[in-house]
Amino acid sequence: DIQLTQSPSFLSASVGDRVTITCRASQGISSYLAWYQQKPGKAPKLLIYAASTLQSGVPSRFSGSGSGTEFTLTISSLQPEDFATYYCQQLNSYPPLFTFGPGTKVDIK
Amino acid sequence: QVQLQESGPGLVKPSETLSLTCTVSGGSISSYYWSWIRQPPGKGLEWIGYIYYSGSTNYNPSLKSRVTISVDTSKNQFSLKLSSVTAADTAVYYCARGTAAAGTTDWGQGTLVTVSS
Repeated sequence: DIQLTQSPSFLSASVGDRVTITCRASQGISSYLAWYQQKPGKAPKLLIYAASTLQSGVPSRFSGSGSGTEFTLTISSLQPEDFATYYCQQLNSYPPLFTFGPGTKVDIK
Repeated sequence: QVQLQESGPGLVKPSETLSLTCTVSGGSISSYYWSWIRQPPGKGLEWIGYIYYSGSTNYNPSLKSRVTISVDTSKNQFSLKLSSVTAADTAVYYCARGTAAAGTTDWGQGTLVTVSS
């Protein structure tokens, strides 16, 4: 089974900071990776799919990159509404297993 | 705009079977993977499994022996059964819709299921 790890698990940042979160897969998953944002008490929200495609309606300060085993989510200028937990999800293999990474909490410094 | 709504008991006794239903409105159960995902209090997301619109299923290997996901296209619903539950199965359970190419795009609001006697 493909396992996902995320780093860091916790990140303290200020408004306006550039933030990068890394997701690593235990095996190559091509570009079958998605990123989600979750705020307390809410369902996750899809931000990025196919590793780098921005979901409709998501601000352009969010971007994704990578393929194979290493992926990054970047927030170019952190906004107050971006303080949340971020998860990666792999969608690879056939039939696909939609496993999640452990999450990265972005908190206010 | 498709909407998903979970329903089912909020309290289940240990060793019993947890049963939840997801009702889909604003669209039909077709051409997507229909998933169940859970989140224990204060912890991360865990994918439980999905049913494809064709009826094929795939489950998280760690839960496979206890999980059954089924679909009722006539009611536009899909369901989760998780047997032999313990306190470790206490979680918010989400139903969701997605594809392998474009991720999980639509989520229910989630329902808290507590396992306790």
